[in-house]
This record gives sequence, C-alpha cells and structure tokens, in this order.
Amino acid sequence: AQSVAQPEDQVNVAEGNPLTVKCTYSVSGNPYLFWYVQYPNRGLQFLLKYITGDNLVKGSYGFEAEFNKSQTSFHLKKPSALVSDSALYFCAVKPVNNFNKFYFGSGTKLNVKP
Amino acid sequence: GAVVSQHPSRVICKSGTSVKIECRSLDFQATTMFWYRQFPKQSLMLMATSNEGSKATYEQGVEKDKFLINHASLTLSTLTVTSAHPEDSSFYICSAALSRGQETQYFGPGTRLLVL
Repeated sequence: AQSVAQPEDQVNVAEGNPLTVKCTYSVSGNPYLFWYVQYPNRGLQFLLKYITGDNLVKGSYGFEAEFNKSQTSFHLKKPSALVSDSALYFCAVKPVNNFNKFYFGSGTKLNVKP
Repeated sequence: GAVVSQHPSRVICKSGTSVKIECRSLDFQATTMFWYRQFPKQSLMLMATSNEGSKATYEQGVEKDKFLINHASLTLSTLTVTSAHPEDSSFYICSAALSRGQETQYFGPGTRLLVL
C-alpha cells in the first residue's frame, strides 16, 4: 500500500536554530515528492518539490529538503528558524504511474519559540 | 502565478439544506481540479478528481450523489454538498493542476462548512 509517514506530530525549536521535519514514504517507483505548508484556516502553500536531479532541493522562504532514495525519505530543513515559520507542514508524494493521486502525510506542527 | 480561490471562505447552514462551494483558478486554466476534505488536526483526504467537460472521479467511500462536482469550465469547479448533515461539517479544500499529469497542484484557501 502507498503511504507517507510524518513520524512527529509536533516539532519545537527555538528561533535561530536549525529545524528538521521528517518524512518517509512507501510508494512504488520513483515518485515526485513535495512539501506544503498550511497556516491556520488556510489552504496549502507549495514550498518545494523533488522530481529528479540533485538530491538537495531548495524552495520558498529559505526551506530546503533532502531526498534520500535508500532511506525513502524527504526531510524538510531550514538552517535558521523564524517564529513566522510556525505552521502545519505536510509532506506529499505523487506516484509516477498515477499523476492525479497525491498521498499526504498526517502533518507536523512546527512551533518556533522566540 | 497559479492562484486558486475558493468561495465562500466560511459558510454556516441548516441541516437538510444544500451548499455550493466554488473553486476558481485565477490566472491559469486548470484541466484538472481536486476536492479534499480535512478534519481537525488531520491530513487531507482526496474526495474526487474533476476534469473539465467530463464526470468527476470519486474516491472510494465518497458518495457522488451527496457531493456533486461540476467542472464546467477550465477555470471553475463547484462542489455542492446536498442535504447537509452536521457530520458534513469540515474544511473543504480544492486544488488545481495546470494540465493532466502536471506534477504540482495549487491549493485554494479552503472553505469552512458548519452544518447546524
């Protein structure tokens, strides 16, 4: 079965410290990988995606993510967290054999404290 | 670019009534639009995929007669919740893709539905 796991419901970091939000997946083939951010009562905003090429992908607002094929992971990272980064983050995976299907992780709430 | 809007942002209705939610792609034509439902503190659940000019494809467990989807043009898809019940209360989010198979989906801001 296809699945996306975000093992942490919540991540707490201090402003200025690096942050990591974890994502692993179990999807057949070489899927496309995404990160989205959701602010309260808002839709999802696209952050970044991995299709092919360099394993380190840079996205919006200083975020980046590293694709690791052997570990089937796509962790989201940022070198220095901001209070305004506090939000709900979703990892999503799109199988290459079903372009219309997105599999979302359960979401990780990021809390950045001043 | 790639902005998706939803209307209304919030709606309260009485049980038994029908509610229509609009999803528009503002600066691009969307061949495919998607409707999701999100419960509190949970992830998004895909309800259906709609392609312009054809019938929507519903996910397993989603009642197509209850959640009517119409994708009449390349910039508009509507979701109508018919005979709404309190358990239909949820956050409904649409997304749009530039073309069939296009890898990135762009999401609307969501519609909060409360059925009394």
